[in-house]
Amino acid sequence: GQSLEQPSEVTAVEGAIVQINCTYQTSGFYGLSWYQQHDGGAPTFLSYNALDGLEETGRFSSFLSRSDSYGYLLLQELQMKDSASYFCAVRTHGQNFVFGPGTRLSVLP
Amino acid sequence: DSGVTQTPKHLITATGQRVTLRCSPRSGDLSVYWYQQSLDQGLQFLIQYYNGEERAKGNILERFSAQQFPDLHSELNLSSLELGDSALYFCASSGEGVPYEQYFGPGTRLTVT
Repeated sequence: GQSLEQPSEVTAVEGAIVQINCTYQTSGFYGLSWYQQHDGGAPTFLSYNALDGLEETGRFSSFLSRSDSYGYLLLQELQMKDSASYFCAVRTHGQNFVFGPGTRLSVLP
Repeated sequence: DSGVTQTPKHLITATGQRVTLRCSPRSGDLSVYWYQQSLDQGLQFLIQYYNGEERAKGNILERFSAQQFPDLHSELNLSSLELGDSALYFCASSGEGVPYEQYFGPGTRLTVT
């Protein structure tokens, strides 16, 4: 089967750094994406890793280790507006996409 | 604003009925994806179309069907509706060569009573 695992909730304070992990077990792997979804909103694309290593986009970075079937999203200089759910998603064979259950991030003042 | 539009925003219908959800992708995007998001199931990939052709199929029930028209808008048809079909339905589109970078519409909230 196909499964992705993420922590259900993470809490951090403003200005801090937080890491959201994602492990995956899928039939086929083309890359790992990350999406942000605020309550009542639509998912928005954050980053994508096809190869091992770190991708940096402003305050957000994403890491992938294909050999460990593992990735993470790193959020730096946390702001209140970063409070949202974060989903990892794997592109598998046949351009199917499997999303993780999501991690709810709460940023406290 | 992602550039992806979906109608209607809300839909309330009874069990056994049939509904059609509509999606217009971002200008220039040929790929359209449909997702279902419910509280207990998370975001589930249903189906993908590319330039009018079905490209990938996920966890889509036989009671559900979709199509993409020549003008690239897409429709998701849900029939013989059950209470468990109540969910948010998202449409997304992506540009050429970047299927992993999807832009989601605002969603249609379907309530089956």
